[in-house]
Amino acid sequence: NAGVMQNPRHLVRRRGQEARLRCSPMKGHSHVYWYRQLPEEGLKFMVYLQKENIIDESGMPKERFSAEFPKEGPSILRIQQVVRGDSAAYFCASSLGPPNTGELFFGEGSRLTVL
Amino acid sequence: TQLLEQSPQFLSIQEGENLTVYCNSSSVFSSLQWYRQEPGEGPVLLVTVVTGGEVKKLKRLTFQFGDARKDSSLHITAAQPGDTGLYLCAGDNAGTYKYIFGTGTRLKVLA
Repeated sequence: NAGVMQNPRHLVRRRGQEARLRCSPMKGHSHVYWYRQLPEEGLKFMVYLQKENIIDESGMPKERFSAEFPKEGPSILRIQQVVRGDSAAYFCASSLGPPNTGELFFGEGSRLTVL
Repeated sequence: TQLLEQSPQFLSIQEGENLTVYCNSSSVFSSLQWYRQEPGEGPVLLVTVVTGGEVKKLKRLTFQFGDARKDSSLHITAAQPGDTGLYLCAGDNAGTYKYIFGTGTRLKVLA
């Protein structure tokens, strides 16, 4: 049973380009969370999604960032017109049930570097 | 905004020593989790505590949840180099959808 799979593991973009990060949750998990981790810091919540629905996006910047979790396929975190401050590790987690009911399983992260 | 403050931020100790890491907040959490994260990897869950005053042991690691469910501690006995990593606490509040992560404690155990 594969764990949470994220790709790419490393992504380099120039300022103004778009970054797309993908996350396939654990088999059977329909709850997906995205977190951002800056160097030497903890994880900051960005968004919580269920299949085809955004449940809580209170941690997402209002502009340039979007997330989706379609009926088929992985969850996508999309960053448009990247800036240097977007450089960070982006972690995806999944859970079997809703928050507060079980363990969060994390992927290995996608490390975005903006030149 | 709920905040989880961890202390110390950095800790470097010799193999065999004991240590305690603290996770404090002014908010009440339904449950609190401890994770360990190694460089280049995602966080891995160590334990979840849900009852005020609860103590859980995982080999040489002892976790305690404060009576008021606002704070927690992680005590490691006889630390080993394999314990090196970033320790993160995370709390969730009933009715919210996000786990709030602490600022992290970076532990280095020297052989």
